[in-house]
Amino acid sequence: DTEVTQTPKHLVMGMTNKKSLKCEQHMGHRAMYWYKQKAKKPPELMFVYSYEKLSINESVPSRFSPECPNSSLLNLHLHALQPEDSALYLCASSPAGQAVEAFFGQGTRLTVV
Amino acid sequence: QKEVEQNSGPLSVPEGAIASLNCTYSDRGSQSFFWYRQYSGKSPELIMFIYSNGDKEDGRFTAQLNKASQYVSLLIRDSQPSDSATYLCAVVPNQAGTALIFGKGTTLSVSS
Repeated sequence: DTEVTQTPKHLVMGMTNKKSLKCEQHMGHRAMYWYKQKAKKPPELMFVYSYEKLSINESVPSRFSPECPNSSLLNLHLHALQPEDSALYLCASSPAGQAVEAFFGQGTRLTVV
Repeated sequence: QKEVEQNSGPLSVPEGAIASLNCTYSDRGSQSFFWYRQYSGKSPELIMFIYSNGDKEDGRFTAQLNKASQYVSLLIRDSQPSDSATYLCAVVPNQAGTALIFGKGTTLSVSS
């Protein structure tokens, strides 16, 4: 099973709302990632968790708050977002260690109104 | 800044031809290299990875890596209209743990 599951698939939220994106994998991977992708742009790394610990935070605004409750789950908590945060949010996972491939979920299409 | 460069295209090839996609990277210490395919509105799908210098073949796809030249390429033989997509080159830079850094992608269009 090489599946990474993201929920919801689509999300529309107001600028004062609080919402969460969820990601789950059951491949035993110990590295999980959040990427943000705008239209016609490549995925842009936001956060990396390795063995449930945050290892990389690419200077992401604090209105995005990641959480890794256990080795299978990754959340992204959203609060006070701006319209320019509208994008496709991608979760990925890989076995820990270098030189290993990452698998992506189907993404959450987020629209901030 | 770790950079991965790709020609954005579009690259147009007729059905049955060979499509050649190229990528260069700036971090000489990079260890692993990936090609992802992304259809419009969908998430990236891994199609090839390569770690060692030389060629790696998988069906109609061949990845080529030259670490001395910091160059990685993807050849698609017998191109099909269903291959029309954006192809993203991704690299794990030496200091980035396991995180992929993506190039801007090359849009491939295969005409029937």
